[in-house]
Amino acid sequence: AQRVTQPEKLLSVFKGAPVELKCNYSYSGSPELFWYVQYSRQRLQLLLRHISRESIKGFTADLNKGETSFHLKKPFAQEEDSAMYYCALSGAGSYQLTFGKGTKLSVIP
Amino acid sequence: NAGVTQTPKFRVLKTGQSMTLLCAQDMNHEYMYWYRQDPGMGLRLIHYSVGEGTTAKGEVPDGYNVSRLKKQNFLLGLESAAPSQTSVYFCASSRTVRGNYEQYFGPGTRLTVT
Repeated sequence: AQRVTQPEKLLSVFKGAPVELKCNYSYSGSPELFWYVQYSRQRLQLLLRHISRESIKGFTADLNKGETSFHLKKPFAQEEDSAMYYCALSGAGSYQLTFGKGTKLSVIP
Repeated sequence: NAGVTQTPKFRVLKTGQSMTLLCAQDMNHEYMYWYRQDPGMGLRLIHYSVGEGTTAKGEVPDGYNVSRLKKQNFLLGLESAAPSQTSVYFCASSRTVRGNYEQYFGPGTRLTVT
């Protein structure tokens, strides 16, 4: 069975401080990992995916297969980063996503 | 393009009543999904569809039924609503191109069952 764990329900950081949102997964094969974000009063949207190795809005995430982690990082938090963040996993050959329970990021001015 | 739309946006039901939530997408996506979002639980998959005329159960299918008569529409039905079904329901759709499983979400339907 596949599982995604986000250990922090709430993370508060000051503006300008570094941010790290943790995500650990359990999957026996080679997963595809994603971060989705939900801003207040907006729909859930894709932030980034590990296969793209891209930086979106200053966020990056590296897949660490040895530690089965896909932590989301940003060197300097901005107030507009305040949102709910979900880590998600897709198994090989599957189009389904398994979501973590989410972490609410609050950036303090 | 409107993307993924959901009808209605809000609904209050009494226990035992029935209703249907409609999801529509104009992106010609093969795959469509219904999730529920509860505080502290994240998103949980109710049912999904891999194409017109096909549906499958997700993680929490009990109490719900779905139909995909047209490629662009995915309906979620509650035959006899229960207070435990109070939640925010999200529909999503995705392409089938390997390596591009981005799911596009609708705005959600907030359902309250009293």
